[in-house]
Amino acid sequence: GNSVTQMEGPVTLSEEAFLTINCTYTATGYPSLFWYVQYPGEGLQLLLKATKADDKGSNKGFEATYRKETTSFHLEKGSVQVSDSAVYFCALDSGYSTLTFGKGTMLLVSP
Amino acid sequence: KAGVTQTPRYLIKTRGQQVTLSCSPISGHRSVSWYQQTPGQGLQFLFEYFSETQRNKGNFPGRFSGRQFSNSRSEMNVSTLELGDSALYLCASSSETGGRGYTFGSGTRLTVV
Repeated sequence: GNSVTQMEGPVTLSEEAFLTINCTYTATGYPSLFWYVQYPGEGLQLLLKATKADDKGSNKGFEATYRKETTSFHLEKGSVQVSDSAVYFCALDSGYSTLTFGKGTMLLVSP
Repeated sequence: KAGVTQTPRYLIKTRGQQVTLSCSPISGHRSVSWYQQTPGQGLQFLFEYFSETQRNKGNFPGRFSGRQFSNSRSEMNVSTLELGDSALYLCASSSETGGRGYTFGSGTRLTVV
């Protein structure tokens, strides 16, 4: 079956540091890949997506590249802010209208 | 454009009771899916509806059920509540088979006592 593995947190960074959150997946076929973000007490917000190999999704300074050869979709940001503190979820959709999520990675950014 | 609306935001129920949660998707979206989020199990898929038909179902007991109406609004029902059903229930809508991403509501926090 499908599965998503992402690094465990929390990830603790100082403001303006570089962020990487690793995500690897197992899926049949050619899934679409997503990063969602969840702020305390809220639902999930779509951060970025990629639908085919070598696509790069980007939004609000965050980037992730769909790497089929390594089955990865790592999230990066060059300079994090305190307001980026949240839980980040990597997810895939293999085309059956369901999302398979990773366990989530909490990011804590200090001033 | 209004987002995905879930009601109520919070619920407290007693073991053995049943509960109904509601989800109104983004206008024009015909796919509605439901997820359960708990600290231990993370985000787990419950079921997905498209044009009033359940297309996919996750690995949950039959106590969990849902339906979708002709206006795409969806409800999920949990009968004979157990303590372990305490969770955040999230609804998501999409205009087509998810490749363009799903928009989530803020969720319903269910507490079973």
